[in-house]
Amino acid sequence: ELKVEQNPLFLSMQEGKNYTIYCNYSTTSDRLYWYRQDPGKSLESLFVLLSNGAVKQEGRLMASLDTKARLSTLHITAAVHDLSATYFCAVESKGGSEKLVFGKGTKLTVNP
Amino acid sequence: DAGVIQSPRHEVTEMGQEVTLRCKPISGHNSLFWYRQTMMRGLELLIYFNNNVPIDDSGMPEDRFSAKMPNASFSTLKIQPSEPRDSAVYFCASSWGRFLSGNTIYFGEGSWLTVV
Repeated sequence: ELKVEQNPLFLSMQEGKNYTIYCNYSTTSDRLYWYRQDPGKSLESLFVLLSNGAVKQEGRLMASLDTKARLSTLHITAAVHDLSATYFCAVESKGGSEKLVFGKGTKLTVNP
Repeated sequence: DAGVIQSPRHEVTEMGQEVTLRCKPISGHNSLFWYRQTMMRGLELLIYFNNNVPIDDSGMPEDRFSAKMPNASFSTLKIQPSEPRDSAVYFCASSWGRFLSGNTIYFGEGSWLTVV
């Protein structure tokens, strides 16, 4: 059974600082998704990573995928308050019934 | 473009009552997913449909839960009878493609259910 673990689960950081959120998963997959959720809101797609070594960047966020290590990272550069949200990674399971399995989420708070 | 549309957005109901949640996927999408989100268990896939056919319902908690997709533009998730432990946010999502295959899944705003 595919398991997806994120760490940290809670992250409080200062504006202007850099930090990385990690997403580990337990079985082979080469497709990984990052989503953002604001409190009381829906999930917004940030990145879709489709192969080993894939790197995508949007503004202050950069996501990468290492399928051999079964690891994805979401790097935050020079954080700003607007980035405060919960970030989820999700991994496609393979074999039989394919489905998207989510991590528990990382709640990010960026303090002025 | 209209996104995934869910109704009701909020519902408070008494234990034992029937609850029906509704979803209209994005036009042209042929995969539809129902997820449940709670603090304790996070986001869980309940069921997904492809071309209106249920493909995997292994996440449906028990017989009290049922889901239908009578056509490409409408799906329901029904809980009967409801229990307090069913209180959660229920998200409907849709995507293009037979299965996931790297296609983005778009989520609705969610239906916030409270069973008292």
